Amino acid sequence: AQTVTQSQPEMSVQEAETVTLSCTYDTSESDYYLFWYKQPPSRQMILVIRQEAYKQQNATENRFSVNFQKAAKSFSLKISDSQLGDAAMYFCAYNTGTASKLTFGTGTRLQVTL
Amino acid sequence: GAGVSQSPSNKVTEKGKDVELRCDPISGHTALYWYRQSLGQGLEFLIYFQGNSAPDKSGLPSDRFSAERTGGSVSTLTIQRTQQEDSAVYLCASSLRPTTTGAQYFGPGTRLLVL
Repeated sequence: AQTVTQSQPEMSVQEAETVTLSCTYDTSESDYYLFWYKQPPSRQMILVIRQEAYKQQNATENRFSVNFQKAAKSFSLKISDSQLGDAAMYFCAYNTGTASKLTFGTGTRLQVTL
Repeated sequence: GAGVSQSPSNKVTEKGKDVELRCDPISGHTALYWYRQSLGQGLEFLIYFQGNSAPDKSGLPSDRFSAERTGGSVSTLTIQRTQQEDSAVYLCASSLRPTTTGAQYFGPGTRLLVL
């Protein structure tokens, strides 16, 4: 079965500091895509960043970057210069070349403190 | 441009009643997905529509659940004879194309509470 594991149910970071959220996945596919979504209390799932598995270069979007380790099947999210607005649930997800549906991890709740 | 919209935002119903949840995807997006988010099961895929192709219904939990997509745009998820375990947030997403290069964009969800 294809699975996504987020081993950190909750994380806390001080404003302006850096935090890393972990994600591992299991797939036998060679063609797949990885995503991080943010879900604030408003419930809206917001795409933060995505990574194509065939690309070796790690994706970056402003303060958000990933560390993609394909052999280890690891896909962590680094948030730099954390802001209060970053507080939310973060979900790691992926889909494959044979199925467009997203498979999600269980999420990490990120708290940002002053 | 407008994002994915869903209605109603919240729905309270009595056990045994039928409910309809609506999703309006981003204009021009050909692929539409329904997911369910519940405390016990996390985020689960329900059903996927792509153009005029037969939908992928592999995630529907029972035959009480059905969905349709009219004119390749608006979709309605129907739950018949609702049960308390159907209480969840139902999320709709759309993408420009069904391939995995298309990230999915989500609506705000419908929170369903079955009493």
